[in-house]
Amino acid sequence: DGGITQSPKYLFRKEGQNVTLSCEQNLNHDAMYWYRQDPGQGLRLIYYSQIVNDFQKGDIAEGYSVSREKKESFPLTVTSAQKNPTAFYLCASRGTSGGVGEQFFGPGTRLTVL
Amino acid sequence: GENVEQHPSTLSVQEGDSAVIKCTYSDSASNYFPWYKQELGKGPQLIIDIRSNVGEKKDQRIAVTLNKTAKHFSLHITETQPEDSAVYFCAASFTGGGNKLTFGTGTQLKVEL
Repeated sequence: DGGITQSPKYLFRKEGQNVTLSCEQNLNHDAMYWYRQDPGQGLRLIYYSQIVNDFQKGDIAEGYSVSREKKESFPLTVTSAQKNPTAFYLCASRGTSGGVGEQFFGPGTRLTVL
Repeated sequence: GENVEQHPSTLSVQEGDSAVIKCTYSDSASNYFPWYKQELGKGPQLIIDIRSNVGEKKDQRIAVTLNKTAKHFSLHITETQPEDSAVYFCAASFTGGGNKLTFGTGTQLKVEL
């Protein structure tokens, strides 16, 4: 099956610990995105990558880091510098042919920092 | 940057009635407007999208209209069914700059029997 996978579905961490969220896609998409969703709010862009070995900050990048070493993978690290890390994290990917196109979302990872 | 406002935040309709959700955007360069449906605990799924060279698009019970002059677009769901109950998000994007989506704050739609 083609799609986007995120793991784990639920993640618990102690305050002050870094944690890495996984995102993998087999859609052969060039572009990948990380969003954060808080209750009652829309999705906010953390980081995005249009091509391997390149990525840009989104609107709320502080306290987060990413890497894009492979086309299929775009892991997100939530660092101890992120003041309010508890949230639902969504990864998306998009094909880049033909201009603007649909972003496909993964099932999300719910991170709870205790 | 782009700003997208979405109304209402909650909407309750009777089964079989129509539902309308409205969004406005600020950046006249935006040229792509998708609508996503999100069920509890899941990732959003695209239900319909429209590009700026089109004023209206339909897909069975779902339609989207776009008014570029007024910078607003709307989602129309006819003959609502209980399975339409979910959170709906509008978004706006433009070609270039990573095609980043700016989302509205969502509408919780509840279809009552």
